[in-house]
Amino acid sequence: DTGVSQNPRHKITKRGQNVTFRCDPISEHNRLYWYRQTLGQGPEFLTYFQNEAQLEKSRLLSDRFSAERPKGSFSTLEIQRTEQGDSAMYLCASSLDAGTAGNEQFFGPGTRLTVL
Amino acid sequence: LAKTTQPISMDSYEGQEVNITCSHNNIATNDYITWYQQFPSQGPRFIIQGYKTKVTNEVASLFIPADRKSSTLSLPRVSLSDTAVYYCLVGGTGRRALTFGSGTRLQVQP
Repeated sequence: DTGVSQNPRHKITKRGQNVTFRCDPISEHNRLYWYRQTLGQGPEFLTYFQNEAQLEKSRLLSDRFSAERPKGSFSTLEIQRTEQGDSAMYLCASSLDAGTAGNEQFFGPGTRLTVL
Repeated sequence: LAKTTQPISMDSYEGQEVNITCSHNNIATNDYITWYQQFPSQGPRFIIQGYKTKVTNEVASLFIPADRKSSTLSLPRVSLSDTAVYYCLVGGTGRRALTFGSGTRLQVQP
């Protein structure tokens, strides 16, 4: 399978704990995005990498959230001191910066986080 | 960012053609119109993209009038497996982040 993969698929944690999610993009894609989706809503942008550089962050990304893409390949999203409001589906997407028109991003299956 | 408005939900029956219209009155000159489909517990999936007139691929058609203030996604002969949420997005070339609205929940019944 050469699509975007995310691990774990599900995570249940207690309030106050730290969690880390991993995303493996499509191998030749240089752009990687993180989104968060709550029930009944569309995905909301969190942050974006071009290669290893984090170029854009949403104001949704509080200081408890940190994302890395150390070698320009896989990425991790860490949430520290989780709160119940962090419960959501965390989606990763990747795209190829080919300079052409288009917003085609390829999404992974997501990691569903439940904070108790 | 151009704001989009689309119906919250639609119902259809198998074999029918479904048209979902999206309005985007503030679309900018360099904005493209893109539609994504999302099944429960999955990430969104690209369906189709266009700039003007009509675009057709193997799963859908996209109709864009001359003023580009709206667009219509057309799904021919839907089946039960087309039950999903459909998102209309507007953005320019090379936009880094996608801005999703709440989408249209399409329910296809037998």
